Amino acid sequence: KAGVTQTPRYLIKTRGQQVTLSCSPISGHRSVSWYQQTPGQGLQFLFEYFSETQRNKGNFPGRFSGRQFSNSRSEMNVSTLELGDSALYLCASSRGLAGGSNEQFFGPGTRLTVL
Amino acid sequence: QQQVKQSPQSLIVQKGGISIINCAYENTAFDYFPWYQQFPGKGPALLIAIRPDVSEKKEGRFTISFNKSAKQFSLHIMDSQPGDSATYFCAANVPVYGQNFVFGPGTRLSVLP
Repeated sequence: KAGVTQTPRYLIKTRGQQVTLSCSPISGHRSVSWYQQTPGQGLQFLFEYFSETQRNKGNFPGRFSGRQFSNSRSEMNVSTLELGDSALYLCASSRGLAGGSNEQFFGPGTRLTVL
Repeated sequence: QQQVKQSPQSLIVQKGGISIINCAYENTAFDYFPWYQQFPGKGPALLIAIRPDVSEKKEGRFTISFNKSAKQFSLHIMDSQPGDSATYFCAANVPVYGQNFVFGPGTRLSVLP
């Protein structure tokens, strides 16, 4: 069974640009969560999508947005990039809403560098 | 109240020793406590998890001890091996619609051969 895949793995952008990251969940998983990981702030929850609807949202500005498609694949978009957006962006999938008996499986992440 | 505190920040253990990582929380609504292991260049992977209705859970060399009254839980790695060298995160979750996982800041474990 294929794991969670994320593309691209590495990305370099400049301030002010926008970026779109992609996540393909494990087959049969309907929930996709996005996290930002930085050395200073650790793992921070961005949002969770389930059945194409945003179900949870973390404390991030509106520049961070996402969507989920009917095949459960998800994209995350960051507009007007800032230097502080440099981070490892992780996607995790689960059968149902994350938590409890619904284990989250993480992808390898997309390393975004903003210059 | 949504925070999960984790210590130590880094840990060095000799091969064969016991590694202990501690976490503490405030929100008594948390009722699912997973531990994740992350190797460089990889995403976190679920290692072991516990619910507060049990005080201990063991899977192989990994044990979670849970103290509900103190609102603390810890990960014990017995017979630590160099292959266990990774960053470990504790987390907590309220499995209610609209909630999400809260992660500790992580502990970087190095097991010396």
